[in-house]
Amino acid sequence: DTGVSQDPRHKITKRGQNVTFRCDPISEHNRLYWYRQTLGQGPEFLTYFQNEAQLEKSRLLSDRFSAERPKGSFSTLEIQRTEQGDSAMYLCASSPGENQETQYFGPGTRLLVL
Amino acid sequence: AQKITQTQPGMFVQEKEAVTLDCTYDTSDPSYGLFWYKQPSSGEMIFLIYQGSYDQQNATEGRYSLNFQKARKSANLVISASQLGDSAMYFCAMGRSWGKLQFGAGTQVVVTP
Repeated sequence: DTGVSQDPRHKITKRGQNVTFRCDPISEHNRLYWYRQTLGQGPEFLTYFQNEAQLEKSRLLSDRFSAERPKGSFSTLEIQRTEQGDSAMYLCASSPGENQETQYFGPGTRLLVL
Repeated sequence: AQKITQTQPGMFVQEKEAVTLDCTYDTSDPSYGLFWYKQPSSGEMIFLIYQGSYDQQNATEGRYSLNFQKARKSANLVISASQLGDSAMYFCAMGRSWGKLQFGAGTQVVVTP
């Protein structure tokens, strides 16, 4: 049973560019979550999916952010027109989909916007 | 609104000693879960232990135990027999029956020989 994987692990981009991150959850996990973590803070929730349905989005998720999970397996998080304030660690987690379930996290993608 | 508070920004503990990390929470939901995660410098969040709001007994997982005091709304993590590899950031988190987790600010633990 492999864990959650994320790609890329690191991304450096220039302000104004678009970036896309991928998350592969643990197989057969129905729920997939995206979080953002800035230096010295705990992770903050961005959005989550139950299978392919996006069920909740945080107010942190501006219109420059979009997430998809088209076939209920892997997910992508795209940031358009990146800003320096988008620099953070983007964490993906998955859970089986049962009540009060544990979320298992991937290694994260560190984004630096210059 | 839910809120998680970790008041200890950092702690030093000697190898083989026990350490208690504080976590208090605030919620009006009757059903919720409390989680502890470890984040080494590599960045990955590692699940340690879970406590459900209706669980009567405190959760234990190996050297980790959760001191759950529901009336005081606290969920402290106890690490027994600390090891050098325990040096990391530790986060307390709370979630409802499903969905997002809300995290505290974390406590940095440094284990010294």
